[in-house]
Amino acid sequence: DAGITQSPRHKVTETGTPVTLRCHQTENHRYMYWYRQDPGHGLRLIHYSYGVKDTDKGEVSDGYSVSRSKTEDFLLTLESATSSQTSVYFCATSPRTGDHEQYFGPGTRLTVT
Amino acid sequence: AQRVTQPEKLLSVFKGAPVELKCNYSYSGSPELFWYVQYSRQRLQLLLRHISRESIKGFTADLNKGETSFHLKKPFAQEEDSAMYYCALMRGGGNKLTFGTGTQLKVEL
Repeated sequence: DAGITQSPRHKVTETGTPVTLRCHQTENHRYMYWYRQDPGHGLRLIHYSYGVKDTDKGEVSDGYSVSRSKTEDFLLTLESATSSQTSVYFCATSPRTGDHEQYFGPGTRLTVT
Repeated sequence: AQRVTQPEKLLSVFKGAPVELKCNYSYSGSPELFWYVQYSRQRLQLLLRHISRESIKGFTADLNKGETSFHLKKPFAQEEDSAMYYCALMRGGGNKLTFGTGTQLKVEL
């Protein structure tokens, strides 16, 4: 479990402010993912990365951007937070193609007021 | 389009009763399916995957391509099985997953 951490774990912010969430892994996994978890929707993929500086959009990418400048870190940025982005955000990692298990971080609870 | 359907938001059973969590999928290719579980105050974690055909914590799941289902079953529920269960379908490259909406299992004494 300690191999994937997220920061902050909780955040309250105001509408219109930028927010950056960080995912850090010590597993040297190639793939990284950002999901949001909402009641009635389960987990939905926001963005993912398949290597350093290689990222792509998921199902619900509008309003979000990501960056991955090194293997260990995957950042999720809300450029201008909205109340609809209030959610629990999970980071996950996966080691390589062929090993399809994803390993999850503890989650970040974000509230946009 | 890929889709995973879990029709039950909440499933309550008594301890010792059989459990079946339903999962149906739609996918044009050859599906690879998983069950993930989230216990209270713990991280989401893999419970089992269909390709390994294993039994984990007494749970099994069989892929039925004819019915496009991957239901999770356990013959005798235990209190410690209470958790949120997600069915997931792997799609495309990059090991991406499409999750269902989840079923909260509550095992009552």
